[in-house]
Amino acid sequence: GAVVSQHPSWVICKSGTSVKIECRSLDFQATTMFWYRQFPKQSLMLMATSNEGSKATYEQGVEKDKFLINHASLTLSTLTVTSAHPEDSSFYICSAREGDSGANVLTFGAGSRLTVL
Amino acid sequence: AQKITQTQPGMFVQEKEAVTLDCTYDTSDQSYGLFWYKQPSSGEMIFLIYQGSYDEQNATEGRYSLNFQKARKSANLVISASQLGDSAMYFCAMRVIDKLIFGTGTRLQVFP
Repeated sequence: GAVVSQHPSWVICKSGTSVKIECRSLDFQATTMFWYRQFPKQSLMLMATSNEGSKATYEQGVEKDKFLINHASLTLSTLTVTSAHPEDSSFYICSAREGDSGANVLTFGAGSRLTVL
Repeated sequence: AQKITQTQPGMFVQEKEAVTLDCTYDTSDQSYGLFWYKQPSSGEMIFLIYQGSYDEQNATEGRYSLNFQKARKSANLVISASQLGDSAMYFCAMRVIDKLIFGTGTRLQVFP
């Protein structure tokens, strides 16, 4: 089945630094990838939709200058948390859909746990 | 506006028994999809079952079945013959156009 790899699985960084999280579709091409954020014991909140070759679409309230998304190829999307602060500490999960929007099921990565000190 | 509601923050079930996790949704769109995902403590999201809004029959996948009642806008997950490994968070989600919106989740604990 479809596999999405997310790296790193966990990262600790100092406040003010930037952190990049990668999301790769291993055995399929993903024209669309989605980035979610999950605070402890809460639900997944959609941050942005990443489209290959074009700008990402951000959800209301998500700062696009802080959460930079790049979808440079059909198998890779990256999320960069710029100038991270402790309140950015969270679980970030990406997901991808194979091919066009006709496919129903999203495959999720294993998530990346970010801790900002 | 689209919304998914899971009213059970936690559920307990004895091993080998069946359990129903509730999910209601709200959308004005005619075409949508309903999903259930399982999230163990490791954090990964595991797809369990899908129901399309135009599907007339309830979806089933092994021990999982989706009780789809369109008029009531509910999409409850039924897990039969619960196993200890079923202990996890369970999220109901709705896809409208291109986005997947999640409910707040239900923590299921299976005890021996």
